[in-house]
Amino acid sequence: AQRVTQPEKLLSVFKGAPVELKCNYSYSGSPELFWYVQYSRQRLQLLLRHISRESIKGFTADLNKGETSFHLKKPFAQEEDSAMYYCALSGGGGTSYGKLTFGQGTILTVHP
Amino acid sequence: NAGVTQTPKFRVLKTGQSMTLLCAQDMNHEYMYWYRQDPGMGLRLIHYSVGEGTTAKGEVPDGYNVSRLKKQNFLLGLESAAPSQTSVYFCASSGKGGSYEQYFGPGTRLTVT
Repeated sequence: AQRVTQPEKLLSVFKGAPVELKCNYSYSGSPELFWYVQYSRQRLQLLLRHISRESIKGFTADLNKGETSFHLKKPFAQEEDSAMYYCALSGGGGTSYGKLTFGQGTILTVHP
Repeated sequence: NAGVTQTPKFRVLKTGQSMTLLCAQDMNHEYMYWYRQDPGMGLRLIHYSVGEGTTAKGEVPDGYNVSRLKKQNFLLGLESAAPSQTSVYFCASSGKGGSYEQYFGPGTRLTVT
């Protein structure tokens, strides 16, 4: 069974400080990993996906298959980064149908 | 282009009552999903559909039924609501599965008393 764990329910940092949101997963095959974000009063939206290897809003995430992790990082946090962040996993291959398994979520608060 | 819309936004039910949540998307997406969001548990998949006329069970399907009679609509039904179904329900759609982005609706907050 696939599983996603976000060990931190709450994370607080000050503006300009580095931030790392942890995500560990359990999956027997080759997973697709995502970070979704939900800003206050907005919809849940995709932040980035590992397959794209892109940086969005200064955030990056590297898939570490050895440690089964997909931590989200940003070198200098901004107040507008305050949100709920979800790590999510989809099983690779055609039979997964894009079904997502979400972690419990981490609420990031960036203080001025 | 409204994206994914959900009706209603809020609802209060008494135990045993029934209701249907409507999800509509105007992006011509094949895949649609229903999730529930509970504190400390993230989002969990209830049911999903890979095309018009098809539905399948997700992680937590008990107590819910779904229908996808039209490609743009995905209905979630509660036949006999229970307090354990108090949650925020999100609908999502994607062009295909796998690494394709899922687009989420605004959510429906349901309280069962």
